[in-house]
Amino acid sequence: EPEVTQTPSHQVTQMGQEVILRCVPISNHLYFYWYRQILGQKVEFLVSFYNNEISEKSEIFDDQFSVERPDGSNFTLKIRSTKLEDSAMYFCASSEPLGQNTGELFFGEGSRLTVL
Amino acid sequence: LAKTTQPISMDSYEGQEVNITCSHNNIATNDYITWYQQFPSQGPRFIIQGYKTKVTNEVASLFIPADRKSSTLSLPRVSLSDTAVYYCLVYDGGFKTIFGAGTRLFVKA
Repeated sequence: EPEVTQTPSHQVTQMGQEVILRCVPISNHLYFYWYRQILGQKVEFLVSFYNNEISEKSEIFDDQFSVERPDGSNFTLKIRSTKLEDSAMYFCASSEPLGQNTGELFFGEGSRLTVL
Repeated sequence: LAKTTQPISMDSYEGQEVNITCSHNNIATNDYITWYQQFPSQGPRFIIQGYKTKVTNEVASLFIPADRKSSTLSLPRVSLSDTAVYYCLVYDGGFKTIFGAGTRLFVKA
């Protein structure tokens, strides 16, 4: 069964450093997402991406964050100048084109970011 | 985006049927009701989705009354491995799926 893969599974970084989290969505999917989940809290929407541009973003997704699809397979989330409160599990998700399903999201296993 | 309300937690025993009800009073005509399951340290996993009446798959059933202001996820004969957080959400066809706090289901032996 195709799946979304994420790397690294866990990253520890110092406050102020830049972090790049990587995702390989399911190959025929066209919509990509990043979510985050702070320990013990709910899953929060960060951003959606389609046709090489951001479709929607939340208020969490400020100038510190950026997303990119540098090639035909990877989808990355960059966090510049990390803060302690960025420590969370970051989930990548993808979905098929709208109209072919009803928005089922396929999530990866997550990348745990710890900022010290 | 329609807001959903569901119980914070539920307990059950192995072998029992579990019903988790979610209210979504301001659901719009084009919205779909969707349920996800999340185990600790894993990403959410789609369980079931419906628009009205009843939907059943190999994992669960989803009951939606005619007014669509609520829905009930039914898990038949739960096992310990069904212990997870269950999220009810309303999908409006857009690019922004919002998760609420979910219902923590704890299945006991």
